[in-house]
Amino acid sequence: QQQVKQSPQSLIVQKGGISIINCAYENTAFDYFPWYQQFPGKGPALLIAIRPDVSEKKEGRFTISFNKSAKQFSLHIMDSQPGDSATYFCAASRGGFKTIFGAGTRLFVKA
Amino acid sequence: NAGVTQTPKFQVLKTGQSMTLQCAQDMNHNSMYWYRQDPGMGLRLIYYSASEGTTDKGEVPNGYNVSRLNKREFSLRLESAAPSQTSVYFCASRFGTAYEQYFGPGTRLTVT
Repeated sequence: QQQVKQSPQSLIVQKGGISIINCAYENTAFDYFPWYQQFPGKGPALLIAIRPDVSEKKEGRFTISFNKSAKQFSLHIMDSQPGDSATYFCAASRGGFKTIFGAGTRLFVKA
Repeated sequence: NAGVTQTPKFQVLKTGQSMTLQCAQDMNHNSMYWYRQDPGMGLRLIYYSASEGTTDKGEVPNGYNVSRLNKREFSLRLESAAPSQTSVYFCASRFGTAYEQYFGPGTRLTVT
C-alpha cells in the first residue's frame, strides 16, 4: 500500500524558533506534495504545496524543501508563533484524485 | 459562499444503527471525497466521486456506501454502525484539474 511517513508525531518549539516536520514517500509517481494545517475542531486547509520538479518553495514563513532522490520532503516554519500551534499533515497525490496523507504532527509553540 | 458544509456536527449511534452523513459544496467543484480521521492515522480516504454520477472506493471503504446525489451533494451512509467506525468524518471537494482539496468542518461520530 502506498504510504507517506511523517515525523515527529508531536513537536514543541519556543516562540521565534524554527519548526521542522519531515515526510517520506515511496511511490515515485506522486506529482503533488501538499501540506495541510488543521486547527482543533476544524477541517484541514491547504498551507503550501510543491511539485517534484522544484527543490524548494517558500511562502512567507513557510518553506517546503523537497529531495526527489531521497523521496523526502519537509516543512520549515520560521519564526514560529503561538498562532501556528496546530496539527500539520503532509500528503502526496498522483493525478489529484487520490491523496495519501501522513499521520500528522501536533505542533505547540510556547509563548 | 459557504464552501463545504457537513451535517450533523456530532452524532452518537448504538451498534447496528444506520445513519447518513450529508455533505454539500457551493463552489461548483467536480470531485468530492469522504475521509475519516483517527488519532495517529492521519486522514484515510473512504470513497470519492470524480464527477456527478460516478463513485469509487478509497483506502477504507468497507462498511460504508456513498451517493453522489447531484453536483453539489455527496452523502456517506453507514448501514450497520460498528464501534470501529467511531471517528471524525471529513468531506472535501476539488475543482477540475486543480489539486487543492477544500474540507468541511467534520462530523464527530461515536458508536457505542
